[in-house]
Order: sequence, then structure tokens, then C-alpha cells
Amino acid sequence: EDKVVQSPLSLVVHEGDTVTLNCSYEVTNFRSLLWYKQEKKAPTFLFMLTSSGIEKKSGRLSSILDKKELSSILNITATQTGDSAIYLCALYGGSQGNLIFGKGTKLSVKP
Amino acid sequence: ETGVTQTPRHLVMGMTNKKSLKCEQHLGHNAMYWYKQSAKKPLELMFVYNFKEQTENNSVPSRFSPECPNSSHLFLHLHTLQPEDSALYLCASSPYQTGASLGDSPLHFGNGTRLTVT
Repeated sequence: EDKVVQSPLSLVVHEGDTVTLNCSYEVTNFRSLLWYKQEKKAPTFLFMLTSSGIEKKSGRLSSILDKKELSSILNITATQTGDSAIYLCALYGGSQGNLIFGKGTKLSVKP
Repeated sequence: ETGVTQTPRHLVMGMTNKKSLKCEQHLGHNAMYWYKQSAKKPLELMFVYNFKEQTENNSVPSRFSPECPNSSHLFLHLHTLQPEDSALYLCASSPYQTGASLGDSPLHFGNGTRLTVT
């Protein structure tokens, strides 16, 4: 069975901390891995990763894929209260080729 | 605004009611999706339409009935729902239904309809 597992499920940090969110997967026909941020409404796209070892970066956020370990991490440096959200990992692949989501990591950043 | 608009934002309905959720995208995309998001569960794909044709029905009960009159609009008709159907229903779109031959693209999501069935 195809699956995407995110850890931790929830995390509380203080402003200025650095956090690392994990996503591991077991899926046939893996094609790409995506990260989304959801703040009580529409999930918004962050990154799409297809190649192992190539870091994608946007401001304080960065992500990298490790196909050998079947995993990806999302790093957030110098966290701010506005980073509080649920971070969703999803990937394209599986028997039907659709986007498969993990349960998400709920990040709370305290002032 | 995300380019994908969903109405209503909130909906409370009894188990015998009939209601519809509406989704409209202004991105010029050709594929549209319905997802269900329940507490502590991953997003579940319900239906996919590609160029107005339904291409996926993910074993969804018949009390959920989708309709796609054109590539910009998607509806989800609801009737005789159960309390366990209470959830956030998200609409999404993409340039085309992704596949290995065409490459992948991110889905663009609407803000969702928060449905409560009483």
C-alpha cells in the first residue's frame, strides 16, 4: 500500500528557532514530492522535488529529497509566528499516479 | 485569493437535505479535483475531471455526485449525508491531469467549504 508518513505530527517552538520537518514514503512509481503550507484554509504550494540531493530554497525555507532513504526534509530557519501552520507532504506516484498526502505536521511558533 | 474560489465557505445541513458545493477556477486550467480533509487524516482524493471528463472516482459513496459543466467550474452535489461526512471539502485545479508522460505540476487549492452534517 502506498503511504506518506510525516513526523513529528505536531511541534511547538519559539520564534527564532530552526525546525526540521520529516517526510518518508513507500510508493510504487515515485515521480515527485511536494510540500504545502496550510493555514486553516487553502494549502499553498511551497516546493516540488524530483531529483535527489538538490536543495530547493525560498527565503527561510528549504527542502531536499533523498531517494535512497525514501525521504525528504523541510527546514525553516529563524522561525516567525507567521510560520505557524500545518505543513503537508505529498507525492506523485502510486498505482494510479495521483497526489498522495501525508497527515501533516502542525507547527506552532510561540512569540 | 488563490485563483480557485469555493462557495459557500461554511455549510450546515441535516441528513435529509440536498445541497451543492461550487468551485470556480480563474487559472485557465483543464483539470479539477475534489478532496476531503477530515481531522487527523490525510487529504483524500474524491474525484478528478480532465477536460470536463471524469477520470477518477475514488470509491466515493453515491450520496456525493460531482458535476463539471466546463473546465472552469466544478460542483459537488450532496444528498442524504451522514454525520461522518462532516469535513473540509477542498477543490483544486492543475493545468492538466498529471501523468508520467506530461510531467507533474502542483495543484492549486481553494479555501474549502467547511461542511457540518447534523
